[in-house]
Amino acid sequence: EVQVVESGGGLVQPGGSLKLSCATSGFTFSGSVMHWVRQTSGKGLEWVGRIRTKANSYATAYVGAVEGRFIISRDDSKNTAYLQMNSLKIEDTAVYYCTTQNDDWGQGTLVTVSS
Amino acid sequence: DIVMTQSPDSLAVSLGERATINCKSSQSVLQSSNNKNFLAWYQQKPGQPPKLIINWASTRESGVSDRFSGSGSGTDFTLTISSLQAEDVAVYYCQQYYSTPLTFGQGTKVEIK
Repeated sequence: EVQVVESGGGLVQPGGSLKLSCATSGFTFSGSVMHWVRQTSGKGLEWVGRIRTKANSYATAYVGAVEGRFIISRDDSKNTAYLQMNSLKIEDTAVYYCTTQNDDWGQGTLVTVSS
Repeated sequence: DIVMTQSPDSLAVSLGERATINCKSSQSVLQSSNNKNFLAWYQQKPGQPPKLIINWASTRESGVSDRFSGSGSGTDFTLTISSLQAEDVAVYYCQQYYSTPLTFGQGTKVEIK
């Protein structure tokens, strides 16, 4: 059974940083593209970015709103993906989901950016 | 970026009746080399993450009821629920995965009339 578990969310001040983790099991993590998607309270879904596999040079791509501030990485030895969020803004407040390329989703972790 | 626009924003349908949701992309998501539309539909119920129900515009995911069907090509797509059941109450999103950034429609809330 595939499991995807996000962690690391919390309250952070504007301008601060936070690193989310996405721990997985039940599939070949090293062979899967990993995505991050966020959802604001009562609002829709926004794709944040993705990281490809080692075979594709761990290439990353991001939505414009986070480009230059967020960094996605992965540790294939730990079956874990990460989302490093820097220079956080109030509008980054959301539930952050991690998803596999086969559309297995975690339950999300809440990030609140507020002073 | 490809903009995805859904209509309507919400709809109320009687049990057993048909529900139809439209999704329009600002540019084609049809890849000519393989004639595939890079378009997915998600269902999200309260307190849950989204669930993929259709990809490639018309391919139902394993285990998804055949009440759900997807159609369309290029820039115009439709999700149809043929006979609405109580468990279908949810918000439905279309998403293009033709190019990054991947983008979602704003969502359509389906309720029981």
